[in-house]
Amino acid sequence: DIQMTQSPSSMSVSLGDTVTITCRASQDVGIYVNWFQQKPGKSPRRMIYRATNLADGVPSRFSGSRSGSDYSLTISSLESEDVADYHCLQYDEYPYTFGAGTKLELK
Amino acid sequence: EVQLVETGGGLVQPGRSLKLSCVASGFTFNNYWMSWTRQAPGKGLEWVASITNSGGSTYYPDSVKGRFTISRDNAQNTLYLQMNSLRSEDTATYYCTRDTYGFDYWGQGVMVTVSS
Repeated sequence: DIQMTQSPSSMSVSLGDTVTITCRASQDVGIYVNWFQQKPGKSPRRMIYRATNLADGVPSRFSGSRSGSDYSLTISSLESEDVADYHCLQYDEYPYTFGAGTKLELK
Repeated sequence: EVQLVETGGGLVQPGRSLKLSCVASGFTFNNYWMSWTRQAPGKGLEWVASITNSGGSTYYPDSVKGRFTISRDNAQNTLYLQMNSLRSEDTATYYCTRDTYGFDYWGQGVMVTVSS
């Protein structure tokens, strides 16, 4: 199975910060990585698909990038509504696998 | 507006069965692959099952293979997850997801608790 190693597991952030979360794939998954945002008690929301594409309705301060087997989600100028859990997903092959998640907390 | 509404969760004893349903609306159901994903309390997300748009092929991780069965009724716009031989580690919120470029829409989730 493909492992998605997500880091950090948690991050203490301030409003206005630029935040970067990374997932490293244990083998090649090409562009087939998504990022999801999840707020407490809510369903996940897709933010980025195919590594770099912004999902519908997602603010432009969110972006996705890829460098080799490393995939990153960057949030520029963090706003209070961005404080949430974030998950990466590889869907290049079954079994689809998620990263362990990153929890953003306000300082 | 795409909507996915799951039902069928609840408390069930270990070794027993439960069947989840997900009614879809707002899109042409029989055009899309569908999936189930779960999240144990306080834990991360885990993909559980996927099915092609026709229902002709299904996919599972080893953790549920042989115990869970995903199916669909395209005439009723409904996705199902039959869960047999349930274990305590199957306790989770189960989400129905549309599988376009990796889970573009999610239902609100339904809780399944496996406990004696």
